[in-house]
Amino acid sequence: AQRVTQPEKLLSVFKGAPVELKCNYSYSGSPELFWYVQYSRQRLQLLLRHISRESIKGFTADLNKGETSFHLKKPFAQEEDSAMYYCALFNQAGTALIFGKGTTLSVSS
Amino acid sequence: DTAVSQTPKYLVTQMGNDKSIKCEQNLGHDTMYWYKQDSKKFLKIMFSYNNKELIINETVPNRFSPKSPDKAHLNLHINSLELGDSAVYFCASSQRGRGVGTEAFFGQGTRLTVV
Repeated sequence: AQRVTQPEKLLSVFKGAPVELKCNYSYSGSPELFWYVQYSRQRLQLLLRHISRESIKGFTADLNKGETSFHLKKPFAQEEDSAMYYCALFNQAGTALIFGKGTTLSVSS
Repeated sequence: DTAVSQTPKYLVTQMGNDKSIKCEQNLGHDTMYWYKQDSKKFLKIMFSYNNKELIINETVPNRFSPKSPDKAHLNLHINSLELGDSAVYFCASSQRGRGVGTEAFFGQGTRLTVV
């Protein structure tokens, strides 16, 4: 079964602290994984995808096939990073994105 | 020049009414979707269309009927609205396939409130 698990509903950190948002997946074969971000009452925006190996807004994510994980990391959190973060993967047929339940990141000063 | 646009942004209506949400994309994508975001912020796929053909129809009441007049449009019509239909509905589009350039782009959402 294809599934995305984000174990943390809420992650609260102080400004300047490191951040790691966890994501685990279940998938047969080579998954395509994404992180989307939703700022308050806005549309979902693509943050990054694993095949691009980019760093966006200081965030990185590495696909670990052995642990079936795609955790999102940032070394120093900023208040403007406060948002809802969704991990997602394309289903086997490539016809829909399957989302995790999301993690709310709250960064306070 | 918004990539994926939905109308209306807000929709407040009474139980039992019929309403429609429109979605348009100007990205030239061949696949469009409707997602429902509930009060707990869970995002769930409702429908997926590829080249105007329905390819995913998740467990959604048949009061919900999507219509794709062309590749750039995917509208959602809801009959006999119920309180439980209150949610934010997101339209999205992508280019089917794998690899760079196939990521999904989302509309700004339609916040539906049924009273």
